[in-house]
Amino acid sequence: GESVGLHLPTLSVQEGDNSIINCAYSNSASDYFIWYKQESGKGPQFIIDIRSNMDKRQGQRVTVLLNKTVKHLSLQIAATQPGDSAVYFCAVATGGGNKLTFGTGTQLKVEL
Amino acid sequence: NAGVMQNPRHLVRRRGQEARLRCSPMKGHSHVYWYRQLPEEGLKFMVYLQKENIIDESGMPKERFSAEFPKEGPSILRIQQVVRGDSAAYFCASSPASQGTGELFFGEGSRLTVL
Repeated sequence: GESVGLHLPTLSVQEGDNSIINCAYSNSASDYFIWYKQESGKGPQFIIDIRSNMDKRQGQRVTVLLNKTVKHLSLQIAATQPGDSAVYFCAVATGGGNKLTFGTGTQLKVEL
Repeated sequence: NAGVMQNPRHLVRRRGQEARLRCSPMKGHSHVYWYRQLPEEGLKFMVYLQKENIIDESGMPKERFSAEFPKEGPSILRIQQVVRGDSAAYFCASSPASQGTGELFFGEGSRLTVL
């Protein structure tokens, strides 16, 4: 089965610095890779996704990188702000559907 | 434009009682997914439903758990004879179709506490 892991449970960064959150996955047949943000007491919020035929995708202040060779996914947040403090989950979808396998999450803490 | 609505937000039950969690998908969405999140863990897939059909229930425990998405009304996740291990946050998500992008819209969750 699919397993998704994250490299660090907690990441602390200074406000204004860039943040990099990493994720490893196991199933080479995975189609989509997604990053979600979850604030305390709330549901996950979609940030950005990337298809398996891409290796980079950019959004507003966020970039997702996909390395299929080593089955590694990363989320880069530029100029990290206090509002970015949350738990970030990577998730993978396999087989063209929306059944997602989530990682355990990385707690991002932004220090002023 | 309301998002995914879940209720109740918090539910307390004693062991052996039943818990019913409701989910109304976003307007125009016909696909509903239920996920469970234990403290300090990621979300675990439970079940995927379309109107009147269970598409994938591979993440549902074999006993005590059931889900439905009737033609009219919200999706219901039902847990019978709850045990302490059922204490968790249960999240519902919806999508307009199984488009395979992984972009699910999540509700705020229902937090079940079993005493």
